[in-house]
Amino acid sequence: AQSVSQHNHHVILSEAASLELGCNYSYGGTVNLFWYVQYPGQHLQLLLKYFSGDPLVKGIKGFEAEFIKSKFSFNLRKPSVQWSDTAEYFCASFANGYNKLIFGAGTRLAVHP
Amino acid sequence: GAGVSQSPSNKVTEKGKDVELRCDPISGHTALYWYRQSLGQGLEFLIYFQGNSAPDKSGLPSDRFSAERTGGSVSTLTIQRTQQEDSAVYLCASSLGVGDTDTQYFGPGTRLTVL
Repeated sequence: AQSVSQHNHHVILSEAASLELGCNYSYGGTVNLFWYVQYPGQHLQLLLKYFSGDPLVKGIKGFEAEFIKSKFSFNLRKPSVQWSDTAEYFCASFANGYNKLIFGAGTRLAVHP
Repeated sequence: GAGVSQSPSNKVTEKGKDVELRCDPISGHTALYWYRQSLGQGLEFLIYFQGNSAPDKSGLPSDRFSAERTGGSVSTLTIQRTQQEDSAVYLCASSLGVGDTDTQYFGPGTRLTVL
Protein backbone atom coordinates (compact mmCIF):
# COMPACT_ATOMS: atom_id res chain seq x y z
CA ALA A 1 0.00 0.00 0.00
CA GLN A 2 1.13 3.53 -0.68
CA SER A 3 2.68 5.23 2.29
CA VAL A 4 4.39 8.38 3.50
CA SER A 5 7.10 8.11 6.15
CA GLN A 6 8.41 10.78 8.45
CA HIS A 7 11.44 9.60 10.34
CA ASN A 8 11.69 12.31 12.99
CA HIS A 9 8.79 12.22 15.42
CA HIS A 10 10.11 14.87 17.81
CA VAL A 11 12.67 17.55 17.07
CA ILE A 12 13.96 20.12 19.53
CA LEU A 13 15.96 23.09 18.29
CA SER A 14 17.20 26.41 19.53
CA GLU A 15 16.23 29.58 17.70
CA ALA A 16 18.39 30.31 14.64
CA ALA A 17 19.27 26.65 14.19
CA SER A 18 18.73 25.08 10.78
CA LEU A 19 15.91 22.62 10.26
CA GLU A 20 15.53 19.60 8.04
CA LEU A 21 12.59 17.22 8.42
CA GLY A 22 12.67 14.00 6.48
CA CYS A 23 9.84 12.64 4.35
CA ASN A 24 9.81 9.59 2.10
CA TYR A 25 6.97 8.39 -0.09
CA SER A 26 6.43 4.98 -1.57
CA TYR A 27 4.60 5.66 -4.83
CA GLY A 28 6.77 5.75 -7.95
CA GLY A 29 4.32 7.21 -10.44
CA THR A 30 3.01 10.75 -10.72
CA VAL A 31 3.83 12.51 -7.49
CA ASN A 32 1.84 15.16 -5.71
CA LEU A 33 3.57 16.05 -2.46
CA PHE A 34 2.64 18.44 0.30
CA TRP A 35 3.84 19.75 3.62
CA TYR A 36 1.18 20.92 6.05
CA VAL A 37 1.74 22.58 9.42
CA GLN A 38 -0.47 22.58 12.49
CA TYR A 39 0.35 25.29 15.02
CA PRO A 40 -0.83 24.72 18.60
CA GLY A 41 -4.60 25.09 18.74
CA GLN A 42 -4.90 25.86 15.05
CA HIS A 43 -5.99 23.93 11.99
CA LEU A 44 -3.85 22.38 9.30
CA GLN A 45 -2.32 24.90 6.92
CA LEU A 46 -0.50 24.29 3.66
CA LEU A 47 3.19 25.19 3.77
CA LEU A 48 4.14 24.17 0.26
CA LYS A 49 3.42 21.68 -2.48
CA TYR A 50 5.13 19.98 -5.38
CA PHE A 51 3.42 18.71 -8.53
CA SER A 52 6.06 19.06 -11.23
CA GLY A 53 8.86 21.30 -12.48
CA ASP A 54 11.62 22.76 -10.32
CA PRO A 55 12.31 20.18 -7.60
CA LEU A 56 13.18 22.92 -5.10
CA VAL A 57 9.91 24.34 -3.88
CA LYS A 58 9.58 27.54 -1.87
CA GLY A 59 6.75 27.86 0.60
CA ILE A 60 5.44 30.31 3.14
CA LYS A 61 7.35 31.57 6.18
CA GLY A 62 10.77 30.81 4.69
CA PHE A 63 10.26 27.08 4.30
CA GLU A 64 11.43 25.12 1.30
CA ALA A 65 11.42 21.48 0.27
CA GLU A 66 13.41 19.49 -2.23
CA PHE A 67 11.93 16.67 -4.28
CA ILE A 68 14.52 13.99 -5.02
CA LYS A 69 12.96 11.36 -7.24
CA SER A 70 15.82 8.87 -6.95
CA LYS A 71 15.49 8.87 -3.18
CA PHE A 72 11.68 9.07 -3.06
CA SER A 73 12.20 11.99 -0.69
CA PHE A 74 10.64 15.39 -0.11
CA ASN A 75 12.49 16.88 2.86
CA LEU A 76 11.43 20.15 4.45
CA ARG A 77 14.07 22.74 5.28
CA LYS A 78 14.41 26.13 6.89
CA PRO A 79 17.80 27.80 7.35
CA SER A 80 16.98 29.55 10.63
CA VAL A 81 14.01 28.58 12.80
CA GLN A 82 12.08 30.87 15.11
CA TRP A 83 10.16 30.16 18.30
CA SER A 84 6.96 30.72 16.30
CA ASP A 85 7.81 27.68 14.14
CA THR A 86 6.90 25.44 17.06
CA ALA A 87 4.24 23.19 15.55
CA GLU A 88 3.53 19.77 14.15
CA TYR A 89 4.55 19.20 10.53
CA PHE A 90 2.92 16.68 8.24
CA CYS A 91 4.18 15.40 4.92
CA ALA A 92 1.45 14.11 2.61
CA SER A 93 0.88 12.70 -0.84
CA PHE A 94 -2.12 11.98 -3.01
CA ALA A 95 -3.00 8.30 -3.11
CA ASN A 96 -2.29 6.70 -6.47
CA GLY A 97 -4.88 7.95 -8.95
CA TYR A 98 -7.00 9.62 -6.28
CA ASN A 99 -7.10 13.00 -4.59
CA LYS A 100 -7.34 11.67 -1.06
CA LEU A 101 -4.29 12.56 0.99
CA ILE A 102 -2.06 10.04 2.69
CA PHE A 103 -0.26 11.62 5.63
CA GLY A 104 2.93 10.79 7.40
CA ALA A 105 2.83 10.36 11.17
CA GLY A 106 3.90 13.96 11.73
CA THR A 107 6.92 15.60 13.34
CA ARG A 108 6.54 17.70 16.45
CA LEU A 109 9.00 20.59 16.38
CA ALA A 110 9.78 22.54 19.53
CA VAL A 111 11.91 25.66 19.14
CA HIS A 112 13.41 27.05 22.32
CA PRO A 113 14.26 30.76 22.59
CA GLY B 1 -12.72 35.00 2.13
CA ALA B 2 -14.25 32.50 4.52
CA GLY B 3 -12.48 29.23 5.02
CA VAL B 4 -13.84 25.78 5.75
CA SER B 5 -16.03 25.83 8.83
CA GLN B 6 -17.05 22.93 11.02
CA SER B 7 -19.54 22.52 13.82
CA PRO B 8 -19.63 21.79 16.63
CA SER B 9 -16.04 22.50 17.63
CA ASN B 10 -16.33 20.03 20.49
CA LYS B 11 -18.75 17.17 21.07
CA VAL B 12 -18.93 14.95 24.11
CA THR B 13 -21.25 11.99 23.88
CA GLU B 14 -21.98 8.75 25.63
CA LYS B 15 -21.08 5.39 24.16
CA GLY B 16 -23.89 4.09 21.98
CA LYS B 17 -25.30 7.49 21.02
CA ASP B 18 -25.39 8.81 17.45
CA VAL B 19 -23.58 12.02 16.50
CA GLU B 20 -23.67 14.34 13.50
CA LEU B 21 -20.77 16.54 12.50
CA ARG B 22 -21.18 19.35 10.00
CA CYS B 23 -18.84 20.85 7.42
CA ASP B 24 -19.30 24.00 5.34
CA PRO B 25 -16.74 24.04 2.52
CA ILE B 26 -15.22 27.08 0.87
CA SER B 27 -17.68 28.58 -1.58
CA GLY B 28 -17.09 27.31 -5.11
CA HIS B 29 -15.16 24.23 -4.03
CA THR B 30 -16.63 21.13 -5.64
CA ALA B 31 -14.56 18.57 -3.75
CA LEU B 32 -15.04 17.82 -0.06
CA TYR B 33 -13.10 15.43 2.17
CA TRP B 34 -13.41 14.05 5.67
CA TYR B 35 -10.36 12.93 7.64
CA ARG B 36 -9.86 11.76 11.19
CA GLN B 37 -6.95 12.67 13.43
CA SER B 38 -6.38 10.41 16.41
CA LEU B 39 -3.44 9.67 18.69
CA GLY B 40 -3.08 6.09 17.66
CA GLN B 41 -3.75 6.34 13.93
CA GLY B 42 -2.55 9.80 12.94
CA LEU B 43 -4.39 11.48 10.06
CA GLU B 44 -6.63 9.10 8.11
CA PHE B 45 -8.80 9.66 5.05
CA LEU B 46 -12.46 8.79 5.57
CA ILE B 47 -14.56 9.84 2.57
CA TYR B 48 -14.38 12.08 -0.52
CA PHE B 49 -17.14 13.84 -2.47
CA GLN B 50 -16.54 15.27 -5.94
CA GLY B 51 -19.39 17.12 -7.57
CA ASN B 52 -22.29 14.81 -8.37
CA SER B 53 -20.15 11.67 -8.56
CA ALA B 54 -20.61 8.77 -6.19
CA PRO B 55 -18.50 9.41 -3.08
CA ASP B 56 -15.30 7.49 -2.39
CA LYS B 57 -16.11 5.78 0.90
CA SER B 58 -13.03 3.60 0.99
CA GLY B 59 -11.69 5.11 4.22
CA LEU B 60 -14.77 4.69 6.40
CA PRO B 61 -13.75 2.35 9.24
CA SER B 62 -17.12 0.65 9.72
CA ASP B 63 -20.74 0.73 8.59
CA ARG B 64 -21.52 2.89 11.63
CA PHE B 65 -19.96 5.77 9.72
CA SER B 66 -21.79 7.53 6.90
CA ALA B 67 -21.70 10.91 5.23
CA GLU B 68 -23.80 12.90 2.87
CA ARG B 69 -23.41 16.11 0.96
CA THR B 70 -26.54 18.05 0.21
CA GLY B 71 -26.81 20.37 -2.76
CA GLY B 72 -23.13 19.99 -3.51
CA SER B 73 -22.18 22.11 -0.53
CA VAL B 74 -22.67 21.31 3.15
CA SER B 75 -21.71 17.85 4.35
CA THR B 76 -22.71 15.88 7.41
CA LEU B 77 -20.71 13.01 8.86
CA THR B 78 -22.83 10.69 10.99
CA ILE B 79 -21.49 8.16 13.45
CA GLN B 80 -24.06 5.72 14.79
CA ARG B 81 -23.74 3.86 18.07
CA THR B 82 -20.52 5.63 18.97
CA GLN B 83 -17.69 3.69 20.55
CA GLN B 84 -14.79 4.96 22.65
CA GLU B 85 -12.37 4.29 19.79
CA ASP B 86 -14.29 6.85 17.72
CA SER B 87 -12.86 9.60 19.92
CA ALA B 88 -10.76 11.78 17.63
CA VAL B 89 -10.66 15.10 15.84
CA TYR B 90 -12.71 14.95 12.66
CA LEU B 91 -11.37 17.23 9.96
CA CYS B 92 -13.10 18.45 6.86
CA ALA B 93 -11.28 19.82 3.82
CA SER B 94 -12.41 21.23 0.52
CA SER B 95 -10.77 21.93 -2.81
CA LEU B 96 -11.59 23.25 -6.25
CA GLY B 97 -11.70 19.71 -7.61
CA VAL B 98 -9.49 20.42 -10.60
CA GLY B 99 -7.58 17.17 -10.69
CA ASP B 100 -4.00 16.26 -9.95
CA THR B 101 -2.89 19.75 -8.96
CA ASP B 102 -5.67 20.30 -6.48
CA THR B 103 -4.95 21.73 -3.03
CA GLN B 104 -7.06 20.89 0.00
CA TYR B 105 -7.90 23.48 2.62
CA PHE B 106 -8.74 22.24 6.08
CA GLY B 107 -11.27 23.35 8.64
CA PRO B 108 -10.61 23.63 12.38
CA GLY B 109 -12.05 20.21 13.11
CA THR B 110 -14.59 18.77 15.54
CA ARG B 111 -13.13 17.14 18.63
CA LEU B 112 -15.32 14.14 19.48
CA THR B 113 -15.06 12.53 22.88
CA VAL B 114 -16.98 9.33 23.52
CA LEU B 115 -17.35 8.53 27.21
